[in-house]
Amino acid sequence: GDSVTQMEGPVTLSEEAFLTINCTYTATGYPSLFWYVQYPGEGLQLLLKATKADDKGSNKGFEATYRKETTSFHLEKGSVQVSDSAVYFCALSPNQAGTALIFGKGTTLSVSS
Amino acid sequence: EPEVTQTPSHQVTQMGQEVILRCVPISNHLYFYWYRQILGQKVEFLVSFYNNEISEKSEIFDDQFSVERPDGSNFTLKIRSTKLEDSAMYFCASSGPDGGEKLFFGSGTQLSVL
Repeated sequence: GDSVTQMEGPVTLSEEAFLTINCTYTATGYPSLFWYVQYPGEGLQLLLKATKADDKGSNKGFEATYRKETTSFHLEKGSVQVSDSAVYFCALSPNQAGTALIFGKGTTLSVSS
Repeated sequence: EPEVTQTPSHQVTQMGQEVILRCVPISNHLYFYWYRQILGQKVEFLVSFYNNEISEKSEIFDDQFSVERPDGSNFTLKIRSTKLEDSAMYFCASSGPDGGEKLFFGSGTQLSVL
């Protein structure tokens, strides 16, 4: 079945460092791909998404490109801030209304000043 | 911005007891979901609900689980007889007419079964 694999955390960075969180997926068909973020004490929030191959999702300085050839959707940010400290979840949707999202385990990012 | 509300934020119960986790989805949303995350593991899908019936459920969602939309605003998850392995963070989510493309999640209920 469809699945998502994320790099294990935690990831610890200094402010202004470059961030990459790896995500690969296995899916039949043509899924949409997402990154969700969970800040402490809050629910998961959609960070960005891409719906087809070569699409780039971006938001708040974060980017991820849907790479069909490598089945990847790595999350990147050029310069992280302390406020980016959170848990990041990669997810896919098989693209049918109401169908469940499939999540990875989540990667904890901790940014220090 | 509208949000999904879950209560309580923490629930402690004894093994074998029934628990009801409550959620108020965003008011004009049509699809409702429950997910859970056992500590250190993936966020797992439990069930989706549309048009007053279950539209999809996972293997986890066995006869011990049930969902209900008792009125126009609440969406509940009931666990009939809790087990130790039911201890997890339970997330409610809802989405609009587009379905699963964008889910809005609540902040979760941490269930601890002793």
